[in-house]
Amino acid sequence: AQKITQTQPGMFVQEKEAVTLDCTYDTSDQSYGLFWYKQPSSGEMIFLIYQGSYDEQNATEGRYSLNFQKARKSANLVISASQLGDSAMYFCAMRELGSARQLTFGSGTQLTVLP
Amino acid sequence: DAMVIQNPRYQVTQFGKPVTLSCSQTLNHNVMYWYQQKSSQAPKLLFHYYDKDFNNEADTPDNFQSRRPNTSFCFLDIRSPGLGDAAMYLCATSRGDSIQGNEQFFGPGTRLTVL
Repeated sequence: AQKITQTQPGMFVQEKEAVTLDCTYDTSDQSYGLFWYKQPSSGEMIFLIYQGSYDEQNATEGRYSLNFQKARKSANLVISASQLGDSAMYFCAMRELGSARQLTFGSGTQLTVLP
Repeated sequence: DAMVIQNPRYQVTQFGKPVTLSCSQTLNHNVMYWYQQKSSQAPKLLFHYYDKDFNNEADTPDNFQSRRPNTSFCFLDIRSPGLGDAAMYLCATSRGDSIQGNEQFFGPGTRLTVL
């Protein structure tokens, strides 16, 4: 079974609008961490935001927020006020207790911001 | 700024000719990772070092080796590159292996072409 599922291979959003990128995960661990990374066409993976399984508040970092619904095992990324520079591939990833050093990545969502 | 550096950014090699990719970090992180990322796919972990402790993923081909002579540097050696080894190779670091927090910081990647 997929550990991290990103069901949207591609998304389009109008500049200045908000967009939600979906991520669901599968784990039996109580302690785990969820991460979102951005990968522009240049190739570098840029860390965006982190949510711990014990965190009660949804994580926020500037225009990025994570909509964490633990019971549904979802960790959607919300980008507010989209900018042209947000066009990139976005990966959701998880670190579990049993593989503390390893990140498991989803298949990614290609976001295109339209002017 | 503290960072993860990869050299070269682009590497061309011939089929079967050994090649070495390098990664250095100024973050003083304990863990260094090597990922392989093929076009339109998620990064795949090849191996990682926790300090000097080497950890190979079960499905990493024997053709891939790694060296970490000190905290700052880590090398990826491909002994006999095949056409299927053409990919982006990403180096990443993290402080340690606790579940909470401990995001991985990635370098810009080396894009390997095999002729």
